[in-house]
Amino acid sequence: AQKITQTQPGMFVQEKEAVTLDCTYDTSDPSYGLFWYKQPSSGEMIFLIYQGSYDQQNATEGRYSLNFQKARKSANLVISASQLGDSAMYFCAMREGRGGGFKTIFGAGTRLFVKA
Amino acid sequence: EPEVTQTPSHQVTQMGQEVILRCVPISNHLYFYWYRQILGQKVEFLVSFYNNEISEKSEIFDDQFSVERPDGSNFTLKIRSTKLEDSAMYFCAGGQGLETQYFGPGTRLLVL
Repeated sequence: AQKITQTQPGMFVQEKEAVTLDCTYDTSDPSYGLFWYKQPSSGEMIFLIYQGSYDQQNATEGRYSLNFQKARKSANLVISASQLGDSAMYFCAMREGRGGGFKTIFGAGTRLFVKA
Repeated sequence: EPEVTQTPSHQVTQMGQEVILRCVPISNHLYFYWYRQILGQKVEFLVSFYNNEISEKSEIFDDQFSVERPDGSNFTLKIRSTKLEDSAMYFCAGGQGLETQYFGPGTRLLVL
């Protein structure tokens, strides 16, 4: 069963606008973590932001924020003031459990295109 | 700023040959991971490693795969007998805690 779902294969946004990339997840584990990564065309994986399942506040890192809605099992990434350099593939990922496993499952990704 | 490094950046091998992919994590990292990404597809978890032993492995990580931290710094992934379908980008990642996973630049493996 799919544990991480990214329903938007591609998204377009105008430069300087905000954009939301969707991510829903499925787990029965009360302890988990959610990550977002950026993968430019050069191929490297860049860590953007992390949200723990017990964190009360939504995570923020500069222009990135994570809209965490635990009851809905969603962890959407919001990028404010988009820049041309934000054009890339974005992956949502979930790490389950503290019980020694640390298995991390990735979604299929959303390709973001920023238009000038 | 310290970075995770991986060698080689590219490796071409014949089917059935053994390959060893190397990673040098950041020195204060305690948790280590290997992932692979077949071209154009999603990132797949292979194995996690903590306290000098495997924490969890995926269904992909069968008896052909092994990981080691031979000298306390390098972190290696060995594929004993490569198959065509092992062709992929292999990433190692590390973190000081569970809240971060910093990826290396990857090794592109091509099995002919």
